[in-house]
Amino acid sequence: EAGVTQFPSHSVIEKGQTVTLRCDPISGHDNLYWYRRVMGKEIKFLLHFVKESKQDESGMPNNRFLAERTGGTYSTLKVQPAELEDSGVYFCASSQDHRGSYEQYFGPGTRLTVT
Amino acid sequence: RKEVEQDPGPFNVPEGATVAFNCTYSNSASQSFFWYRQDCRKEPKLLMSVYSSGNEDGRFTAQLNRASQYISLLIRDSKLSDSATYLCALIRSTDSWGKLQFGAGTQVVVTP
Repeated sequence: EAGVTQFPSHSVIEKGQTVTLRCDPISGHDNLYWYRRVMGKEIKFLLHFVKESKQDESGMPNNRFLAERTGGTYSTLKVQPAELEDSGVYFCASSQDHRGSYEQYFGPGTRLTVT
Repeated sequence: RKEVEQDPGPFNVPEGATVAFNCTYSNSASQSFFWYRQDCRKEPKLLMSVYSSGNEDGRFTAQLNRASQYISLLIRDSKLSDSATYLCALIRSTDSWGKLQFGAGTQVVVTP
């Protein structure tokens, strides 16, 4: 079974530019999550989709971040315009129906560097 | 005070030895607990969920102490491949059921 995949693996952009990260969850997983790890800090929750609906977006830093999951399959996270403090590793995770398990499986992450 | 605290280590462990470390949490509403391992520059990989009665998976044993608000992980017969950072994660009952709160991790280094 294929795991969670993310694209790109690395992205280097200048302050003020736009970047779009993509996540493909494990097939059949309705739940998709975005997390971020800023250097030296712990992994922080950004938001949670159930199918195409946003279940919880309490961790989104500000309105420069826009997440979508059209059709309930893959998800994109757009940062526009990027700031220096947005640098970090963005992880996507997915899980099955929560009634069965809370266990989340992570993708390899996208390492974003804003210069 | 951080909600999820871990000793950053490193815990230097001779191969074959046993190592144990804890993760403390401050919010009593925490209800689900997990251990993840993370290799350098890789994604967190789920190691095990932590159940109230404690659970074991091979050489790994996890315990939950709700009264003192901590979970623990014990690794027996350490292997070189156990070298990693171990992340504690939890979900609070007051949060949406998918919102994991992570600790900063405990580094374990197994030496020959």
